[in-house]
Parts: sequence; C-alpha cells; structure tokens
Amino acid sequence: IQMTQSPSTLSASVGDRVTITCRASQTISNWVAWYQQTPGKAPKVLISGASRLESGVPSRFSGSGSGTEFTLTISSLQPDDFATYYCQQHGSYPITFGQGTRLEIK
Amino acid sequence: EVHLVESGGGLVQPGGSLRLSCAASGFTFSSHWMSWVRQAPGKGLDWVANIKGDGSEKKYVDSVEGRFTISRDNAENSLYLQMNSLRAEDTALYFCARYTIAATVTDYWGQGTLVTVSS
Repeated sequence: IQMTQSPSTLSASVGDRVTITCRASQTISNWVAWYQQTPGKAPKVLISGASRLESGVPSRFSGSGSGTEFTLTISSLQPDDFATYYCQQHGSYPITFGQGTRLEIK
Repeated sequence: EVHLVESGGGLVQPGGSLRLSCAASGFTFSSHWMSWVRQAPGKGLDWVANIKGDGSEKKYVDSVEGRFTISRDNAENSLYLQMNSLRAEDTALYFCARYTIAATVTDYWGQGTLVTVSS
C-alpha cells in the first residue's frame, strides 16, 4: 500500500493552522499513525488509529480520516513544531510510510 | 523508563554482513512486538522487519527478505537484526522500535545505529 503525502514542504509561521494530507493507494480503515521527527532525533508518535492522540502529545495536534484519506492538523504552530512529519499505514504488511512533509518557518 | 539502545553498526563492504543489536530496558520486553526501521541519509523512513513478543511471527519488507533475519532473546531483553549480502542501498540509520501492548503503533524508538555499505 502506497502512502502519498502532501505537501512535501510547507512554509508557515508561528500561530498558523496547518494541515498535512496522506492518501493511501487502497482502503486501510483507520490503521494510520503520524510521526514527528526533528533533525538528528528518532521519530516520535503523535497520532495512532488515525485520530487518537498519544500520551503527552499537545492537544493542538489532531488527526482525522478513514478509508484512503487522512489528515494531520496542527491548530496553532509553536516553535517546536517545525520538523518533518510522516504518515504510516500499519493495516497490512509491508508497513509503509509517506515520503514526509518538511514543515519550515516562513 | 523505557530505553532502547542500538549498537553494531559500522562500515562494511558490499556483500558483507553485520549484526545489529538493540538492548531494551524499562518494560516487559517479551510482551511487545518489536520493529526495525531504517532511514537512508537525508531520506524518509522505511520499515524493515517486525517480530512478535514470543518470536513466533516475523515479517520483512521484500527488499530484505532472504538477506536479513530479525530475532530476539527475551531472557537478555535484546532484539537483533542479522544482515547478510549487504548492498549499497542498505546504507542507513537503523532504528529499533517498540510496539504498544495492543501492537497498534510504535511508541518508543532508539536513537539508531548507522550502517554504511561501501567499498
């Protein structure tokens, strides 16, 4: 299953609301997770089950979608949020990631 | 506190072998699926392999099937990745990661160990 993530790069400012989209090549129910990665660090899970906020993750992050279309929304960007974001499907093997969205400061 | 520490990476010639290790602590290791995920320099994340808590199920991405073997030693709280017939395209930072008890998502990751395949 291919996960097509868009945009590849997103320029935004602190306080902005941003949305990243991931489209699956076939239906995967809600078996989607979202990860955040900063340079030199391991990925950190933000969202599982398409919309479940993981423990300790700020409430400004939210996920939605089912079937083939999924979104990650950050309601009000904070300085720590400028990072690369990946979607991942784990509904069937092989597990696949989107190509990533680099969120940069405008 | 959960800790995952990878080791065993290094420079190896094409066709060579390496064995990666991941030392786990702070949780009941045998209760969790574990995973290896890699990231080529400057590129995105690629899933490599998963193994069930008791070692009875193993899954691989096609590109490593038959060359890589995932295993675990629950008595030693350790995860392994035996990599044979290495290719230049296997060059990457290799992360080990823990799945939640429900095996829905990887919730803890190590910092990775770098594997470079080059002559």
